Amino acid sequence: DGGITQSPKYLFRKEGQNVTLSCEQNLNHDAMYWYRQDPGQGLRLIYYSQIVNDFQKGDIAEGYSVSREKKESFPLTVTSAQKNPTAFYLCASSTAGSPSNEQFFGPGTRLTVL
Amino acid sequence: AQKVTQAQTEISVVEKEDVTLDCVYETRDTTYYLFWYKQPPSGELVFLIRRNSFDEQNEISGRYSWNFQKSTSSFNFTITASQVVDSAVYFCALSHILTGGGNKLTFGTGTQLKVEL
Repeated sequence: DGGITQSPKYLFRKEGQNVTLSCEQNLNHDAMYWYRQDPGQGLRLIYYSQIVNDFQKGDIAEGYSVSREKKESFPLTVTSAQKNPTAFYLCASSTAGSPSNEQFFGPGTRLTVL
Repeated sequence: AQKVTQAQTEISVVEKEDVTLDCVYETRDTTYYLFWYKQPPSGELVFLIRRNSFDEQNEISGRYSWNFQKSTSSFNFTITASQVVDSAVYFCALSHILTGGGNKLTFGTGTQLKVEL
């Protein structure tokens, strides 16, 4: 089945530690995205990538880093510089080339900083 | 700057009632797309519909219908004869077209819909 997988589903981290969230897609999509969702708030864009080996900062990139070495994979690292990392993180992908294409979302990773 | 406002934080209805979710947007783009997504308790967002800024024709799909009015910058979503399975958070989103293709979405804060028996 085609889709987006995110792992782990739940993640606990101690303050001061970096942690990497996995996102893999087999939809052959060029574009991939990372969003953060906090209670009572909408999704906010952290980073996006329209093509392999290229990515752009979104609205709240501070304290996060990404890489896009393969078309299928777009891992997100939450660094110790992120002041309030506890949140629900969603990865998405879409075909590039047309702005009308909807984004497909993964099941999300819930990160809790202890 | 782009902005999406969903003023209704939470709506509770009894099964079989009709319910309308409101969405108002702001953009300076002349070409844009609007989307509705559903987020069930599992957390994964599910795409429902898209509409482009040039197409104000309203659409009905089964129990769902959408009303896009460019004059009032609104893109409202109606569920007819609601069911318990419709309980979820619904997000309205506005696209900004990126150079080179693709889009960047701005989401509203969502409306929690609870459908009770």
